[in-house]
Amino acid sequence: NAGVTQTPKFQVLKTGQSMTLQCAQDMNHEYMSWYRQDPGMGLRLIHYSVGAGITDQGEVPNGYNVSRSTTEDFPLRLLSAAPSQTSVYFCASSSRDGSSYEQYFGPGTRLTVT
Amino acid sequence: KNEVEQSPQNLTAQEGEFITINCSYSVGISALHWLQQHPGGGIVSLFMLSSGKKKHGRLIATINIQEKHSSLHITASHPRDSAVYICAAYQFSGYALNFGKGTSLLVTP
Repeated sequence: NAGVTQTPKFQVLKTGQSMTLQCAQDMNHEYMSWYRQDPGMGLRLIHYSVGAGITDQGEVPNGYNVSRSTTEDFPLRLLSAAPSQTSVYFCASSSRDGSSYEQYFGPGTRLTVT
Repeated sequence: KNEVEQSPQNLTAQEGEFITINCSYSVGISALHWLQQHPGGGIVSLFMLSSGKKKHGRLIATINIQEKHSSLHITASHPRDSAVYICAAYQFSGYALNFGKGTSLLVTP
């Protein structure tokens, strides 16, 4: 299994540009999520999905869109990039394990918006 | 929202020392995750626990549900243990994760 994969690893955007961060998992996990990691802030949940066709907002959803058309893929779209979206983005997937959900993280995408 | 606090924020130890990182949370949870992140690297799950104690090699994680507190211990620390250690608490809904800000550990030879 490849686990959770993310592309690209690095990206530089100009303010106002749009782009999609790709995330895929091959573990048949029901749950997928996107986090951003900023210095001194810890990881924060952007959007999550509990299954194909179902998505919901997390703590910091503004400026981002998601969709989940298949179990495997969960892309994150930046509609109009802003410097405040400069961050490292992690995708994660999880499946129920007893009463909790162990999460598996992708390698991250480092995004800079100038 | 569950407030997750970690201490210390930064920690420097000499090789071979016993290390403890603490995590406390404000609201009852279903489970707690300990994660490791090497500089510039991805995030790896170390433990997920809902009660008692778990051990993996030189790493030990404990949780006290009544006191809303968890600890991560590293025995016989090694420079390769240098990383950021993050705790994350699951709500009873089962999905939402609240993360601590991480403890940056440096182990010197």
